Amino acid sequence: DVKVTQSSRYLVKRTGEKVFLECVQDMDHENMFWYRQDPGLGLRLIYFSYDVKMKEKGDIPEGYSVSREKKERFSLILESASTNQTSMYLCASSMNRGLSSPLHFGNGTRLTVT
Amino acid sequence: DQQVKQNSPSLSVQEGRISILNCDYTNSMFDYFLWYKKYPAEGPTFLISISSIKDKNEDGRFTVFLNKSAKHLSLHIVPSQPGDSAVYFCAARAGANNLFFGTGTRLTVIP
Repeated sequence: DVKVTQSSRYLVKRTGEKVFLECVQDMDHENMFWYRQDPGLGLRLIYFSYDVKMKEKGDIPEGYSVSREKKERFSLILESASTNQTSMYLCASSMNRGLSSPLHFGNGTRLTVT
Repeated sequence: DQQVKQNSPSLSVQEGRISILNCDYTNSMFDYFLWYKKYPAEGPTFLISISSIKDKNEDGRFTVFLNKSAKHLSLHIVPSQPGDSAVYFCAARAGANNLFFGTGTRLTVIP
């Protein structure tokens, strides 16, 4: 079974802090993704990566950056946290870019910015 | 603009009856559709999918129907069980591009 592990379940940070959300997958998947989930908005893609050291912007990249130095690890960085970044953050991985390759999600990190 | 829409935020069904969850989309380039299920405090898990070249895909109690002309898909769960209570997201993809998710429908199966 694929395991996607997000390092923190809950985080509380102050406005202006730099925040790191870490994600590790154990199935040698090529692709990794960061989503945020907000009530009434579903899951929205922030950034994704199809290979080590590469990244592409999703639908809502503003205020975020990412890092993928190793295949198994994909980090989401909030350079200067703001209250509108309070959300549930979900990391996911998939085997390849094929149509039938579903996403496997971690359990999420609920971030509160005060 | 929301390209994948789930207009019913919640649905309650008696155990043993059929649950029907609906999803509409606007992008005619979508060619693959998926359903995910999410329990509280867990990430979404993949449930079932369908390619646009089909109009039905079945997996045990779960069946997904696709009506391309209406840009509509639905997930049928028969018979519904209390363990099916969760939030269900539909998602759509165009080619090798990324998934677009709906806003989710919370299903409650009443014992």
